[in-house]
Amino acid sequence: QKEVEQNSGPLSVPEGAIASLNCTYSDRGSQSFFWYRQYSGKSPELIMFIYSNGDKEDGRFTAQLNKASQYVSLLIRDSQPSDSATYLCAVNAGNMLTFGGGTRLMVKP
Amino acid sequence: KAGVTQTPRYLIKTRGQQVTLSCSPISGHRSVSWYQQTPGQGLQFLFEYFSETQRNKGNFPGRFSGRQFSNSRSEMNVSTLELGDSALYLCASSPLGGLAGAGANVLTFGAGSRLTVL
Repeated sequence: QKEVEQNSGPLSVPEGAIASLNCTYSDRGSQSFFWYRQYSGKSPELIMFIYSNGDKEDGRFTAQLNKASQYVSLLIRDSQPSDSATYLCAVNAGNMLTFGGGTRLMVKP
Repeated sequence: KAGVTQTPRYLIKTRGQQVTLSCSPISGHRSVSWYQQTPGQGLQFLFEYFSETQRNKGNFPGRFSGRQFSNSRSEMNVSTLELGDSALYLCASSPLGGLAGAGANVLTFGAGSRLTVL
């Protein structure tokens, strides 16, 4: 059973702070890693993906991948109330994505 | 560019009935995946189709089935509905699925079909 684990939260951060979201996965054959954001009542939307060890930055978002530790993280700098959502980590090994349960982020003004 | 279109958006069925959900992928996308989302279980993979062939199947009973047509549109069917089938069913398309690198298997989700079974 391929597993993707996330802390369900809620993770509460003040506006302007850095939010750090974490994800671990069990399948060492996993090749690519995705972060999706899902607002309440909406469908998931892609934030970014990463497939090489290290950091990948896109605006206020940074994805970090450590394959040796089987760990992926997402950092959100200068968090805004509009970032309040559930963040889903997804891992690809082959032709399907396995999603974690998601971390609910709350950014307080 | 039109996104992923799912119909119907909302439906109510009773136990024992069957339901068919439809998904039209982004133009040019050949892979269509289906997921079930519930508060307790999160996003659970149902199956993935590519060029009319089912390439992967999740751990769901045979009551859940799907197909893909030559124009890449996909349908999923749930027979003999149970109360536990109440969920948001999400369809997602990608250019190639998992065949060719991370960029090719980025999923774009539709708005979902919310099924309530009474």
